[in-house]
Amino acid sequence: DAGVIQSPRHEVTEMGQEVTLRCKPISGHNSLFWYRQTMMRGLELLIYFNNNVPIDDSGMPEDRFSAKMPNASFSTLKIQPSEPRDSAVYFCASRFRGTDSGNTIYFGEGSWLTVV
Amino acid sequence: AQTVTQSQPEMSVQEAETVTLSCTYDTSESDYYLFWYKQPPSRQMILVIRQEAYKQQNATENRFSVNFQKAAKSFSLKISDSQLGDAAMYFCAYKRDDKIIFGKGTRLHILP
Repeated sequence: DAGVIQSPRHEVTEMGQEVTLRCKPISGHNSLFWYRQTMMRGLELLIYFNNNVPIDDSGMPEDRFSAKMPNASFSTLKIQPSEPRDSAVYFCASRFRGTDSGNTIYFGEGSWLTVV
Repeated sequence: AQTVTQSQPEMSVQEAETVTLSCTYDTSESDYYLFWYKQPPSRQMILVIRQEAYKQQNATENRFSVNFQKAAKSFSLKISDSQLGDAAMYFCAYKRDDKIIFGKGTRLHILP
């Protein structure tokens, strides 16, 4: 079975540019999470969705960040405008909420963003 | 608020030996889940093992096992017969409801 698929794997962009990260969760999963990983702050939960609905976006650092999930198989995380301090690895993860096995979340390979 | 603490930023172990990574957490809940994730240099997050708090029996997955001490809020990971491929960052994580909280990680080096 295909895992969580993220794109792009790596992106280098200039400060001020818009960045869009994409995620396809595991088929059948109904919860999706966006995490950011940096050396200083470790793994931070930015936002998560249940059944395509944003539930908690308290981890989104500021208004420059936005996330959408238009359907069960696709989500985007957008940064506009990007800043050097946004450089990090961004992970998407998903799970099937509502069963015992759904207590485990599965991660994509991450999108490594560098803003210069 | 729940917190997860990994007190060992780095550890080293000789190949084929056993190593234990420590994790403590703080919660007032009685029903939750605990996980260990491995992150190799590729950066992918890989689930190693999970433990349900309501289960007294310690989880085991091949060479990986945990020592879950609920009263002490301790959840250590033991890796037996360490292999070069075990070199990675290891993250302890706590889950209650929808949120998973991660520790800062322990970088494990395997010495040949």
